[in-house]
Amino acid sequence: AQKITQTQPGMFVQEKEAVTLDCTYDTSDPSYGLFWYKQPSSGEMIFLIYQGSYDQQNATEGRYSLNFQKARKSANLVISASQLGDSAMYFCAMRDNNNDMRFGAGTRLTVKP
Amino acid sequence: DSGVTQTPKHLITATGQRVTLRCSPRSGDLSVYWYQQSLDQGLQFLIHYYNGEERAKGNILERFSAQQFPDLHSELNLSSLELGDSALYFCASSPSGGRVSGGYTFGSGTRLTVV
Repeated sequence: AQKITQTQPGMFVQEKEAVTLDCTYDTSDPSYGLFWYKQPSSGEMIFLIYQGSYDQQNATEGRYSLNFQKARKSANLVISASQLGDSAMYFCAMRDNNNDMRFGAGTRLTVKP
Repeated sequence: DSGVTQTPKHLITATGQRVTLRCSPRSGDLSVYWYQQSLDQGLQFLIHYYNGEERAKGNILERFSAQQFPDLHSELNLSSLELGDSALYFCASSPSGGRVSGGYTFGSGTRLTVV
């Protein structure tokens, strides 16, 4: 069965510093996609970054990068140079050939000035 | 604006009532997905429709049902509402139903409050 685990309910980071949000996953399908979404207090779901299971390089999108360690089944999100506007809930998600997108429980990130 | 339109944005109703949530997918997208997000929780997958046909079911209660119409808009019907059904209901769409690389585009959600 597909499972996504985010073990950090809450994280704090100082403005301008980097932060890593953890995500582990479990699937028996060799083909899968990993996603990170941001949910600010306004409630909308904003797509941040995607990593495919066959991708050789870690995905990057601006200040966001995904630290993909396939053997350990982890897909951690790294946010560099944190900004106050980065304060939000962050969800890791996965879809494979047998399942539509499923989400982890989320991590609430607070950026301190 | 993500291109996925959900109406209404807010809904307050009493226990035992029935409501309908509506979703118009992004232009060109054939798949519609419904998710439920209870307070401070992750998103729970409810159901997926592709081009009018049900493709997959998740943790959807029997009191809930959905459909996708020929114009590809979708409706989620919630009946015999209970206090615990209060949540943010998201609709998302994607171009196809099967590619694992396909991300979803989310609507802004409908916040349902059952009193």
